[in-house]
Amino acid sequence: NAGVMQNPRHLVRRRGQEARLRCSPMKGHSHVYWYRQLPEEGLKFMVYLQKENIIDESGMPKERFSAEFPKEGPSILRIQQVVRGDSAAYFCASSSGQGAQETQYFGPGTRLLVL
Amino acid sequence: SQQGEEDPQALSIQEGENATMNCSYKTSINNLQWYRQNSGRGLVHLILIRSNEREKHSGRLRVTLDTSKKSSSLLITASRAADTASYFCATDGRYNQGGKLIFGQGTELSVKP
Repeated sequence: NAGVMQNPRHLVRRRGQEARLRCSPMKGHSHVYWYRQLPEEGLKFMVYLQKENIIDESGMPKERFSAEFPKEGPSILRIQQVVRGDSAAYFCASSSGQGAQETQYFGPGTRLLVL
Repeated sequence: SQQGEEDPQALSIQEGENATMNCSYKTSINNLQWYRQNSGRGLVHLILIRSNEREKHSGRLRVTLDTSKKSSSLLITASRAADTASYFCATDGRYNQGGKLIFGQGTELSVKP
């Protein structure tokens, strides 16, 4: 049973470009979470999605960031017009049920570097 | 807002010694989880302890939870060099919608051979 997959593992973008990060949850998992980790810090929640629904986006910046989890295919975290402050590791996690009762399993992360 | 906080921030021990890391949080929770992160890698889930549990064991790991003090501890016994990593506690927050986890800043553990 494959774990949570994320790609790309590393992404370099210039200021103003778009970054698209993909996450495929574990097989059988329908709950996806995105977290961001700045250097030397813990993870910060960004958004929680179920298939075709955003459940909680309280951690998402108001502008430039969006997330989706379509009926088919991976979850996508999109960052438009990236700035240097967006440089961070972005982790996706999945669970089989609502996270309060279920373990979240994390992917290896995508490390975004904005030049 | 709720935040888990670990202490110490960094811990350096010799192989074979025990390592104890503490975590404090601010609001009521359903459960608390501990994760490990090796440098430059993703998080590995270690153990989940529910709010009605006081202690849990998994191999060389022992986790305690004191909801009256809003604190938890992670004990790694007979440490090995391979235990070198950052350790994070994460809480869910009993009344938050959905299952978002609130992570602490982490404890960086270094086990010297």
